[in-house]
Amino acid sequence: QVQLQESGPGLVKPSETLSLTCTVSGGSISSYYWSWIRQPPGKGLEWIGYIYYSGSTNYNPSLKSRVTISVDTSKNQFSLKLSSVTAADTAVYYCARGTVVVPAALDVWGKGTTVTVSS
Amino acid sequence: EIVMTQSPATLSVSPGERATLSCRASQSVSSNLAWYQQKPGQAPRLLIYGASTRATGIPARFSGSGSGTEFTLTISSLQSEDFAVYYCQQYNNWPITFGQGTRLEIK
Repeated sequence: QVQLQESGPGLVKPSETLSLTCTVSGGSISSYYWSWIRQPPGKGLEWIGYIYYSGSTNYNPSLKSRVTISVDTSKNQFSLKLSSVTAADTAVYYCARGTVVVPAALDVWGKGTTVTVSS
Repeated sequence: EIVMTQSPATLSVSPGERATLSCRASQSVSSNLAWYQQKPGQAPRLLIYGASTRATGIPARFSGSGSGTEFTLTISSLQSEDFAVYYCQQYNNWPITFGQGTRLEIK
């Protein structure tokens, strides 16, 4: 079955850019919507944005000025870049797949990767 | 932005009993609502979408209802593995937003 794996640095300095990649295995990245969600320590879930395999995107307005999500279909990967990070960006970052019927209903998730923003 | 409010924050229920979790939207989201279960150290798991459609592989003891601004997740007979945090999520308006979660604990 389809599996997702997040990868990237676990520690990022303030004001720098957080970069994460999600690798899709066991299935194709085509024909689905792919999302990034984050969860600060001990808190709830925040949708960062999503990308369709064709490259169209939609970002949370609260993060839009700092977020870029891209896709590389040849590698079956999609990526997140979040610029000018602060301690408030410390969180577990998840990548996830939307269902075919309801792209915003996320039926496959990565295990999550913890990113800490600290000098 | 639509604000999703879940109640109660914590629910204590005995195994075998029924649990009823509530989610309220600050404005109508039609039936564009999903429920997720999250256990410590794990990613969320999709339970329900479209307010009442169970996701693939979800046991029948999980059911969702409601539309507009009021929604309910019911777990008919709690199993030990059901004790977790549950989140509702609206996807009617952008940005997609989640409730703050209800912690379901063993009584």
